[in-house]
Amino acid sequence: EIIMTQSPGSLSVSPGERATLSCRASQSVSRNLAWHQQKPGRAPRLLIYGASTRATGVPARFSGSGAGTEFNLTISSLQSEDFAIYYCQQYSDWTWYSFGQGTKLEIK
Amino acid sequence: QVQLQESGPGLLKPSETLSVTCSVSGDSISSSSHYWAWIRQPPGKGMEWIGSIYYSGVTYYNPSLRSRATISVDTSKNQFSLNLSSVTAADTAVYSCARHVVGSNPCDMWGQGTRVTVSS
Repeated sequence: EIIMTQSPGSLSVSPGERATLSCRASQSVSRNLAWHQQKPGRAPRLLIYGASTRATGVPARFSGSGAGTEFNLTISSLQSEDFAIYYCQQYSDWTWYSFGQGTKLEIK
Repeated sequence: QVQLQESGPGLLKPSETLSVTCSVSGDSISSSSHYWAWIRQPPGKGMEWIGSIYYSGVTYYNPSLRSRATISVDTSKNQFSLNLSSVTAADTAVYSCARHVVGSNPCDMWGQGTRVTVSS
């Protein structure tokens, strides 16, 4: 099993500021890494796939980077609607998907 | 617009069998392009992939749950289901269904999840 570890567990940031969330894989997943956003009571939403490709309709303030075992999600200027929980997902081993435990992005 | 909607029992007793169903609209579950997955999230913990099914019935399971989990598909109803046997309190979670493209691809559509509590 590929273990995904996200840091920090929670992050307090003011609107308009930049936020960087991290995800580490226990072994290389190449660029087979996605980021999902989840708001309370709503279905998760795919934001980023292929480590850095934005999904359809995702604003340009969201960017992903990394390869191998280290990945980041950066939100360049936080909007009120961005405060949510973010999960990374590896799909390198597509017969055994795994997710990080999530980073909760809170308003400071 | 693709939508996935879970339905489930809400509350179960230990040793019972959990059954949850995902109804798909806006896409055919018989699509040759997609797998259909179950994922759960226990309170205060991360997401755990349970398994995925193709319309033909081919399945992949998380090895830690393979002995208790059965995923099935009903193409006539455009639904797929999860049965999890012999539940314990550790199976208390939000159970979500999702779609992913065949091969190494992420989940690209999700349901909002249904909460299942196991308690005596």
